[in-house]
Amino acid sequence: SQQGEEDPQALSIQEGENATMNCSYKTSINNLQWYRQNSGRGLVHLILIRSNEREKHSGRLRVTLDTSKKSSSLLITASRAADTASYFCATDVFSGYSTLTFGKGTMLLVSP
Amino acid sequence: DGGITQSPKYLFRKEGQNVTLSCEQNLNHDAMYWYRQDPGQGLRLIYYSQIVNDFQKGDIAEGYSVSREKKESFPLTVTSAQKNPTAFYLCASSSSGHLNTEAFFGQGTRLTVV
Repeated sequence: SQQGEEDPQALSIQEGENATMNCSYKTSINNLQWYRQNSGRGLVHLILIRSNEREKHSGRLRVTLDTSKKSSSLLITASRAADTASYFCATDVFSGYSTLTFGKGTMLLVSP
Repeated sequence: DGGITQSPKYLFRKEGQNVTLSCEQNLNHDAMYWYRQDPGQGLRLIYYSQIVNDFQKGDIAEGYSVSREKKESFPLTVTSAQKNPTAFYLCASSSSGHLNTEAFFGQGTRLTVV
């Protein structure tokens, strides 16, 4: 079963605008991770936020985590056409082994 | 040049055939994973392995088999029992099966049944 659900499913913006994607999940987590996938390619790790962290930054990326609401957001500031991709959240759930459970993703289109 | 390599990039299978997808990593990672991705969908876990000679079923293991004889290699066999094998298959690895480690992904194998 899929743990995370991204919202919106698709997002279309102009270069220079900010893009915000949200992720909701169902059970307690060790951490939440965001990945990017260009069409037909593998996934690339963007950022990891631990369950005891509330906000994290990496370059133009800002991730927040609200464990009380079981939700996270990914903000990409000053977007570029090269940011066009699908973005997935993945949760690392408490268990004997650590595996990642992915949502369905948000498809971001940034137009020049 | 460290990384995770999947081959082939494209694979065509006839009905009733078994096919094996290759996944090799030189990152010295203990944990390896296989995911399936269908159009417009997220990734679903097929199998995972935390150490050599040990692996566990994921959410959709039926019709698939794996082996982990070497740390570097985690091949996936799609058997004839898998009724709808056409999909994009992604292999991943991480340094540890425990807590707070990112996964590194290969470039994927697109399997099509003809």
